[in-house]
Amino acid sequence: NAGVMQNPRHLVRRRGQEARLRCSPMKGHSHVYWYRQLPEEGLKFMVYLQKENIIDESGMPKERFSAEFPKEGPSILRIQQVVRGDSAAYFCASSIGGNTEAFFGQGTRLTVV
Amino acid sequence: DQQVKQNSPSLSVQEGRISILNCDYTNSMFDYFLWYKKYPAEGPTFLISISSIKDKNEDGRFTVFLNKSAKHLSLHIVPSQPGDSAVYFCAASPPTASKLTFGTGTRLQVTL
Repeated sequence: NAGVMQNPRHLVRRRGQEARLRCSPMKGHSHVYWYRQLPEEGLKFMVYLQKENIIDESGMPKERFSAEFPKEGPSILRIQQVVRGDSAAYFCASSIGGNTEAFFGQGTRLTVV
Repeated sequence: DQQVKQNSPSLSVQEGRISILNCDYTNSMFDYFLWYKKYPAEGPTFLISISSIKDKNEDGRFTVFLNKSAKHLSLHIVPSQPGDSAVYFCAASPPTASKLTFGTGTRLQVTL
């Protein structure tokens, strides 16, 4: 049973480009969460999705960031027109249901140059 | 506003001894608490959890204690092993939401 798979592990983008981060949840998990970790900080919640639905996006910046979890395929976190401040580690987690243990992927380290 | 606080950024413990990591929270709506362990360049790994109906949960060398009146939880690792060296995050969620609020982490170093 593969764990939460994120790709790419490392992503370098120039300012103004788009970044797409992918997350495949654990088998049987229909709840997906995205978190961001800035250097020397804890993980900050961004968005919580179930299949085809955004449940809670209270942690998402209002502009340039979007997330989806389609019926088929991985969840995608999309950052348009990246800026240097977007450089961070982005972690995806999945769970069977709400308020159950969430299992994390290895993260995507985004560097904006 | 940091709703989950880990006031010790680092802790050093000798191998074989007890490691105690502490966490305080301010949001009285939190009712589910988790501890995660994180190695560099990896994702957090779930360790142990506790719901507010309990005050203790044990799993092998790991025990989590919850003091609701003090809004405080702690993770005990006994005996500590060098492989336990990592950053430990506590996290919490209220019953109506599934998102986790994380502390800033405590870096544990277990020395020989």
